[in-house]
Amino acid sequence: DAGITQSPRHKVTETGTPVTLRCHQTENHRYMYWYRQDPGHGLRLIHYSYGVKDTDKGEVSDGYSVSRSKTEDFLLTLESATSSQTSVYFCATKQVSGEQYFGPGTRLTVT
Amino acid sequence: GQQLNQSPQSMFIQEGEDVSMNCTSSSIFNTWLWYKQEPGEGPVLLIALYKAGELTSNGRLTAQFGITRKDSFLNISASIPSDVGIYFCAGPPYNAGNMLTFGGGTRLMVKP
Repeated sequence: DAGITQSPRHKVTETGTPVTLRCHQTENHRYMYWYRQDPGHGLRLIHYSYGVKDTDKGEVSDGYSVSRSKTEDFLLTLESATSSQTSVYFCATKQVSGEQYFGPGTRLTVT
Repeated sequence: GQQLNQSPQSMFIQEGEDVSMNCTSSSIFNTWLWYKQEPGEGPVLLIALYKAGELTSNGRLTAQFGITRKDSFLNISASIPSDVGIYFCAGPPYNAGNMLTFGGGTRLMVKP
């Protein structure tokens, strides 16, 4: 257990509305990640952070932004949600040894 | 991006049988990770491998880091119904050590 919580766990929102997902960790890990998981595509990296205020894009970053103002919190924002962003979103943190540990996920539905 | 080829994609086995799955890459990996994901949950790390040739066990699970550093294997002995789930291999490519590449997953179904 890497002490990762995600909120909300489920959300339904309408197209065009902004959405923010929160990831909170208690292990003081430097690296944090946001993934989305879709059938047929597996886990794909959206953005990651390598420290407070330090972030970088992943494989599928278009339409998403992130912020990390504290070590323990990593926020993922959909500025204007689209139906293609309906997915399950996972946060992860990385230990110094390289292993990544995942949160329980947020199921987002954009109608 | 880089791909990890994981096989088989799915397996439907009888309780008590042994299971074997593998993951291959065209590139070298310095670490191999094996995860299990159950419905509605996040992936859970099962085994981490750090050296070529390494063989590591976790209960009924055994994983090996291939000697070429381009493959890894996961075996489950004497399967039980709670082994059901999707198993993923993952690893950080040698030139992108802070990110993981994932295999497509092996869906395991166990018949009691």
